[in-house]
Amino acid sequence: AQKVTQAQTEISVVEKEDVTLDCVYETRDTTYYLFWYKQPPSGELVFLIRRNSFDEQNEISGRYSWNFQKSTSSFNFTITASQVVDSAVYFCALGGANSKLTFGKGITLSVRP
Amino acid sequence: DAGVTQSPTHLIKTRGQQVTLRCSPKSGHDTVSWYQQALGQGPQFIFQYYEEEERQRGNFPDRFSGHQFPNYSSELNVNALLLGDSALYLCASSYGTGRYKLFFGSGTQLSVL
Repeated sequence: AQKVTQAQTEISVVEKEDVTLDCVYETRDTTYYLFWYKQPPSGELVFLIRRNSFDEQNEISGRYSWNFQKSTSSFNFTITASQVVDSAVYFCALGGANSKLTFGKGITLSVRP
Repeated sequence: DAGVTQSPTHLIKTRGQQVTLRCSPKSGHDTVSWYQQALGQGPQFIFQYYEEEERQRGNFPDRFSGHQFPNYSSELNVNALLLGDSALYLCASSYGTGRYKLFFGSGTQLSVL
């Protein structure tokens, strides 16, 4: 069975600070995919980044970066120079050989001006 | 280019009733997945439809059923509603079952009284 653990529940930072969101996963699949999604109050899940377990193919956007470590099954996500608009719930998700995703419980990020 | 659209946005039902939620996938997408997100939790996979057939199913009872139409749109039906079915129901579309470029709609907020 697949499992995603997001131990942090709420994080509050001041604008322009860097913030790292932690994610630990469990899977028996040799090929898998890891994601970060953002959910603003509107409810829509917005795709941020994806990391494949088997190659270097990935997607990244500007202020976002990640630290993928297979040895510790972690996939941490960093927002550089946070902005108020980054305030949202962030979900880490894991996918196996199909397109079914297993999500963590989410981290509520508040960025104060 | 319209994204994933869901209707209705909000719905209030009473226990024992039946409900139908609707989803139109992003243009060019042929696969629709449904997720249930309880308050304060991450989304949980319900099922996935491709070529008008249910391809995968999560750990949900038979009260949850679905359908996909030839135009790739989809419906989620829930019978004999329980209080615990109150949640945000998210639809996600993609091209093909093994692809992970999932696009989510804003969801339908279902309240069961």
